Amino acid sequence: NAGVTQTPKFRILKIGQSMTLQCTQDMNHNYMYWYRQDPGMGLKLIYYSVGAGITDKGEVPNGYNVSRSTTEDFPLRLELAAPSQTSVYFCASRRDSLAFFGQGTRLTVV
Amino acid sequence: EDQVTQSPEALRLQEGESSSLNCSYTVSGLRGLFWYRQDPGKGPEFLFTLYSAGEEKEKERLKATLTKKESFLHITAPKPEDSATYLCAVQELGAGNMLTFGGGTRLMVKP
Repeated sequence: NAGVTQTPKFRILKIGQSMTLQCTQDMNHNYMYWYRQDPGMGLKLIYYSVGAGITDKGEVPNGYNVSRSTTEDFPLRLELAAPSQTSVYFCASRRDSLAFFGQGTRLTVV
Repeated sequence: EDQVTQSPEALRLQEGESSSLNCSYTVSGLRGLFWYRQDPGKGPEFLFTLYSAGEEKEKERLKATLTKKESFLHITAPKPEDSATYLCAVQELGAGNMLTFGGGTRLMVKP
């Protein structure tokens, strides 16, 4: 099992550009999450999903969108990139009390 | 107001010097408290889940304990490979499936 896979690992965007961060898991978990982590800070929840076709906002959803058309995939969309979105983004999936995280995507908006 | 606060922010230890990391939380009802380890450039790795006051979990040199207001991660005779950032997160009753994370404690163990 690959676990939770995120792509890309690194990306530099110009202000106003858009992009999609990909996340896929092969553990058949219903729950999936997107977090952002700023330097020296904990993880902040952006969006989450409890199953295919169901998504909900977390603490910091502004500027982002998600979709969940399959159990495996949970992409995060940035429509108009802003410098405040410079961060490391982590995708996670969960079953019961165990959550598994991807390796992260380091995004810089300039 | 922060729901989850970790202290200290950073901790330097000599190899073999035992210590404890603190995670204080303020929630109306705790569904679960989670400890994760995060190495530089990687995602958090699950360590423990605690559900009720008085509960303890152990894994190698780590032991996690829980009270009604805080959790401790005790590190006994640490080794350099224990160097990492340790994150605490809480799941509150009625908050669905959301985890609220603390800011983490960066642990450095010198040989």
